[in-house]
Amino acid sequence: GIQVEQSPPDLILQEGANSTLRCNFSDSVNNLQWFHQNPWGQLINLFYIPSGTKQNGRLSATTVATERYSLLYISSSQTTDSGVYFCAVWAGNNRKLIWGLGTSLAVNP
Amino acid sequence: GAGVSQSPRYKVAKRGQDVALRCDPISGHVSLFWYQQALGQGPEFLTYFQNEAQLDKSGLPSDRFFAERPEGSVSTLKIQRTQQEDSAVYLCASSLGTSWGGYTFGSGTRLTVV
Repeated sequence: GIQVEQSPPDLILQEGANSTLRCNFSDSVNNLQWFHQNPWGQLINLFYIPSGTKQNGRLSATTVATERYSLLYISSSQTTDSGVYFCAVWAGNNRKLIWGLGTSLAVNP
Repeated sequence: GAGVSQSPRYKVAKRGQDVALRCDPISGHVSLFWYQQALGQGPEFLTYFQNEAQLDKSGLPSDRFFAERPEGSVSTLKIQRTQQEDSAVYLCASSLGTSWGGYTFGSGTRLTVV
């Protein structure tokens, strides 16, 4: 089945720094989502992005479907950005999301 | 409701006990999903409902796991004769339509089997 790999696995930032998280996937996908799981376990949908670029405040995402990767940019990071960032994809005709292992981000004040 | 609501938030079960986990999706959402998330892992798909129909249960790990959504709204995930390996966070998500679309997740139920 399709494989989803995220990098880096862990990231520590100083407040105010910028970062780029990467998601590679092994086969064509119908769609891709980025989620943030906060330290209390709540999963928040950040972007639904099969291709192209989207921006929401300090966050933006770019998916290049033909090259099978997506990037999540975090600018001017804040301590509230801490948590785990997941990339998840749909492939084929089934409706299940296939998830990466996540990037664990800690933003220090 | 305004979001996806799951209850209980935490559940401790003795090994061999049966448990029932509840999910209240966003009102009007057609699609409902259950995922299992082990510590340090991404969520793993369990099952999918479209209204009351369970269209995919390929992710249920054994016949001890059973899910239902009898009226196409609230769903219950039941685990019989719980085992320690069932300890995980169980996440419910819903989406408005049946086409590829963004999910909204509940806060999850953390199950600990002792």
